[in-house]
Amino acid sequence: EPEVTQTPSHQVTQMGQEVILRCVPISNHLYFYWYRQILGQKVEFLVSFYNNEISEKSEIFDDQFSVERPDGSNFTLKIRSTKLEDSAMYFCASRAGTGRSTGELFFGEGSRLTVL
Amino acid sequence: QKEVEQNSGPLSVPEGAIASLNCTYSDRGSQSFFWYRQYSGKSPELIMSIYSNGDKEDGRFTAQLNKASQYVSLLIRDSQPSDSATYLCAVSGSARQLTFGSGTQLTVLP
Repeated sequence: EPEVTQTPSHQVTQMGQEVILRCVPISNHLYFYWYRQILGQKVEFLVSFYNNEISEKSEIFDDQFSVERPDGSNFTLKIRSTKLEDSAMYFCASRAGTGRSTGELFFGEGSRLTVL
Repeated sequence: QKEVEQNSGPLSVPEGAIASLNCTYSDRGSQSFFWYRQYSGKSPELIMSIYSNGDKEDGRFTAQLNKASQYVSLLIRDSQPSDSATYLCAVSGSARQLTFGSGTQLTVLP
């Protein structure tokens, strides 16, 4: 069964360092997302990406964040200068279709980011 | 601010019972409604989607939608210990990204 894969599964970094989280979405999917979940809290939308550009982003997704699809398979989230409050599980998700299925997402297993 | 509210629980039911999970949403423009299951330490997994008023059944799961009351529910019949997880209600509307509720933690007791 096709799946979304994410690396690394866990990253520990010092405050102020840059972090890149990587995702390989399902191969025939066209829409890509990053969500995050702080421990014990809601799953929060960060950004959506379609046709090589950001289609929507939340207030959380400020200038410290960026996304890129550097080739035909990878989808990355970069945090330029990490803060303590960036510690969370980051989920990549993808979907194939349009219309009503906008919420039928396939999530990766997540990358846990710990900022010290 | 678009809100999705769920009873946080925890909700405990005996094995074989019906578990009932509820969700309300604030955005009247919402068009698509989803239930995701999240096991502890794992990622959300889609289990049901519903787009029209009424009931939608899939195996032991039934989703119910009432747009007038801005209310979505999930019934799990013949609950099993493997159903123990956090159930996330998610809503998509004019802003096409999903807005998640905080989840209801369900424990099915053997």
